[in-house]
Amino acid sequence: AQTVTQSQPEMSVQEAETVTLSCTYDTSESDYYLFWYKQPPSRQMILVIRQEAYKQQNATENRFSVNFQKAAKSFSLKISDSQLGDAAMYFCAYRRLRDDKIIFGKGTRLHILP
Amino acid sequence: GAVVSQHPSWVICKSGTSVKIECRSLDFQATTMFWYRQFPKQSLMLMATSNEGSKATYEQGVEKDKFLINHASLTLSTLTVTSAHPEDSSFYICSARGPLVLAKNIQYFGAGTRLSVL
Repeated sequence: AQTVTQSQPEMSVQEAETVTLSCTYDTSESDYYLFWYKQPPSRQMILVIRQEAYKQQNATENRFSVNFQKAAKSFSLKISDSQLGDAAMYFCAYRRLRDDKIIFGKGTRLHILP
Repeated sequence: GAVVSQHPSWVICKSGTSVKIECRSLDFQATTMFWYRQFPKQSLMLMATSNEGSKATYEQGVEKDKFLINHASLTLSTLTVTSAHPEDSSFYICSARGPLVLAKNIQYFGAGTRLSVL
């Protein structure tokens, strides 16, 4: 069975600074998808970024980028130029290809300090 | 982008009653929908996978007679919490996946339903 571990329950970053959220996962599969989801106080899950395991190039979406280390089973999220609106719970997630099931980590609550 | 609508957003019910939660894909056909449960300050736990026209597949430990799932059309899945009790109080979230060729392997999430059982 796959597991996703987020070792940082909470983090804080100064506005306009850069922060990195950590995520490791365990799987015996060779192909899968990885995601970072954001859950603001509204509790609507918002897709931040996704990475296909077969792609070596790290995904980027504007201020958000990932550091995907497949051999190490690591998938960290870097947020550059942090904004107040980035404050939320961030979930790292693993998606199995064979049945599309998503396994979520326990989340990291990110605080943005003005 | 694709939108998933979930209704109601908040429901309060008496213990022993049943509550139905709807999950609709608004601009795409969802062959598969997923139902999650989220306890306060915790992660999302998959409850079941709902496939259009067939029986839902429940995760281990989830009572299928307690949480009835119906996926009668390509745009609607419902979760009915039967004979609800206070321990069923939680946040329920659905997600929908369209045909792979269109969805590009993205699941879209509803805004969730907060269930409070008195």
